[in-house]
Amino acid sequence: EADIYQTPRYLVIGTGKKITLECSQTMGHDKMYWYQQDPGMELHLIHYSYGVNSTEKGDLSSESTVSRIRTEHFPLTLESARPSHTSQYLCASRLGEGQETQYFGPGTRLLVL
Amino acid sequence: AQSVAQPEDQVNVAEGNPLTVKCTYSVSGNPYLFWYVQYPNRGLQFLLKYITGDNLVKGSYGFEAEFNKSQTSFHLKKPSALVSDSALYFCAVRDGPGGYQKVTFGTGTKLQVIP
Repeated sequence: EADIYQTPRYLVIGTGKKITLECSQTMGHDKMYWYQQDPGMELHLIHYSYGVNSTEKGDLSSESTVSRIRTEHFPLTLESARPSHTSQYLCASRLGEGQETQYFGPGTRLLVL
Repeated sequence: AQSVAQPEDQVNVAEGNPLTVKCTYSVSGNPYLFWYVQYPNRGLQFLLKYITGDNLVKGSYGFEAEFNKSQTSFHLKKPSALVSDSALYFCAVRDGPGGYQKVTFGTGTKLQVIP
């Protein structure tokens, strides 16, 4: 069982609100990832991090931002939520070179009204 | 650029029959290949991976996958399907050690096991 956590699990919020999706892992993993997934559809990488103070944008353009101040914590922030942000957001981590398996959190389902 | 294709949106199989979920990939170097499963309302779970070594990789829940370099494929298989195997399956690829750290996921294949 992987020790990677996401909060909240479900969030319903109005347009224009600022939200932060939390992701934390207790495995000491260097690499962390955020994916966006519409129900039953493919995953799109939106952000990733190689380690502390390292963040990169992924394949899918996103209006969200991320930070990596601590190894275990990789929060994703939307400054002004819109209905188009409605989706599921999955956080993942892996140890690093030589340890290829990504471990996924349970996800956050976001609904923006 | 790396890419992965899952040509079937859905695969239907009778319980007890063998199942195959197809995956092909494209990378410039040596591929690292993965299968993940997603049950309804759950996160992704790792099933198995190929990094190097034997082409036949065994994973969780009785699943296995065969790496075929000449056909650039990594099909997921199970000798006898269970109804509980019904889920969404994702193939993923990474272009070997070093370089990009990101993994590219396929579009997913819905497996439906019919009782």
